[in-house]
Amino acid sequence: KAGVTQTPRYLIKTRGQQVTLSCSPISGHRSVSWYQQTPGQGLQFLFEYFSETQRNKGNFPGRFSGRQFSNSRSEMNVSTLELGDSALYLCASSLEGSNEKLFFGSGTQLSVL
Amino acid sequence: KQEVTQIPAALSVPEGENLVLNCSFTDSAIYNLQWFRQDPGKGLTSLLLIQSSQREQTSGRLNASLDKSSGRSTLYIAASQPGDSATYLCAVNDYKLSFGAGTTVTVRA
Repeated sequence: KAGVTQTPRYLIKTRGQQVTLSCSPISGHRSVSWYQQTPGQGLQFLFEYFSETQRNKGNFPGRFSGRQFSNSRSEMNVSTLELGDSALYLCASSLEGSNEKLFFGSGTQLSVL
Repeated sequence: KQEVTQIPAALSVPEGENLVLNCSFTDSAIYNLQWFRQDPGKGLTSLLLIQSSQREQTSGRLNASLDKSSGRSTLYIAASQPGDSATYLCAVNDYKLSFGAGTTVTVRA
């Protein structure tokens, strides 16, 4: 069974640009959640999607958005990039939600110059 | 706001020694708590999930306990091996996951 796949693995952008990251969950998993990991703030919850609907949201500005497609694949978008958005972005999937064991992808390392 | 603290921040032990990692949280109204392992530059691997109604979970050499009323969880790793070297994170689920900063473990051969 294939694991959670995140693309791209690395990304370099400049301030002001926007970026889209992709996450393909494990087959059959309907919940996808996104996290930002930085050395200073650690791991922080961004949002969770279930059956194409955002079910939960963390404390991030509106520049961070996401969506989920009918095949459960998810994308997150960051607009008007800032230097502080440089981070490892991780997504996780589960069958129904965070009440269950989560399976994480390897992440997308975003560098904003 | 849920605050999750992990002590110690780093730990170095000789091979064969037992490991004890601590996690504390401020709001006891949680659904569950998970322990994860993260290798450098990689994603997280779930080790153990303890539901709020449970007191402990075991998997192989790993045992995690949960005392919800006191806001504490402990991860025990028996007979540590160099392959156990990683960062261990606990995450508390109270409708969303809140993570601790992690304990970085080094097991010396």
